[in-house]
Amino acid sequence: DVKVTQSSRYLVKRTGEKVFLECVQDMDHENMFWYRQDPGLGLRLIYFSYDVKMKEKGDIPEGYSVSREKKERFSLILESASTNQTSMYLCASSLRPGQGSPGYTFGSGTRLTVV
Amino acid sequence: SQQGEEDPQALSIQEGENATMNCSYKTSINNLQWYRQNSGRGLVHLILIRSNEREKHSGRLRVTLDTSKKSSSLLITASRAADTASYFCATPHHGGGGADGLTFGKGTHLIIQP
Repeated sequence: DVKVTQSSRYLVKRTGEKVFLECVQDMDHENMFWYRQDPGLGLRLIYFSYDVKMKEKGDIPEGYSVSREKKERFSLILESASTNQTSMYLCASSLRPGQGSPGYTFGSGTRLTVV
Repeated sequence: SQQGEEDPQALSIQEGENATMNCSYKTSINNLQWYRQNSGRGLVHLILIRSNEREKHSGRLRVTLDTSKKSSSLLITASRAADTASYFCATPHHGGGGADGLTFGKGTHLIIQP
């Protein structure tokens, strides 16, 4: 069963900490994405990557960075966590357009609380 | 850039009834997708309809797309308790294939009463 795995289901961090959220997919997908989901705001795209070592800013990249050293792994980094980054973080992956269905496969999410 | 918007925001029906959710979007697209999210979990891809298609079926799901009205609908027939979830429509950023991200609506929360 193909999947996207996010390393933590729940995470509690302190303000100012550097936080790493890990995402691994086993489908050989080129594209990977990080979203955050907040009540009333829906899903918002933070960063995405269409190839190893490539990264592009989404709609809300401020306060975040990403790393994609291997095709299967896409990490989201909160450089200095703040309380307004408390959220549900969702990782997704997809095939490159033209290679098949462009539907996204999502991980189960990481609920991050910054105190 | 919020592109797709679902309507209604919430829907409660009896088990066995049909549920219809609508989605409106703003710019030209080459496909529109529907996803389901069970409480506190990730999203699951349900169905994709391309801009040159008007209707698509998958099991108990029926999706329509009207590009002239920039709208889509998702129909779930013979609903079951397990269909209780939030449903989102999604369109590619900038109208492309989706490699640069999907824009999601805020979702319709569907409750199936036993």
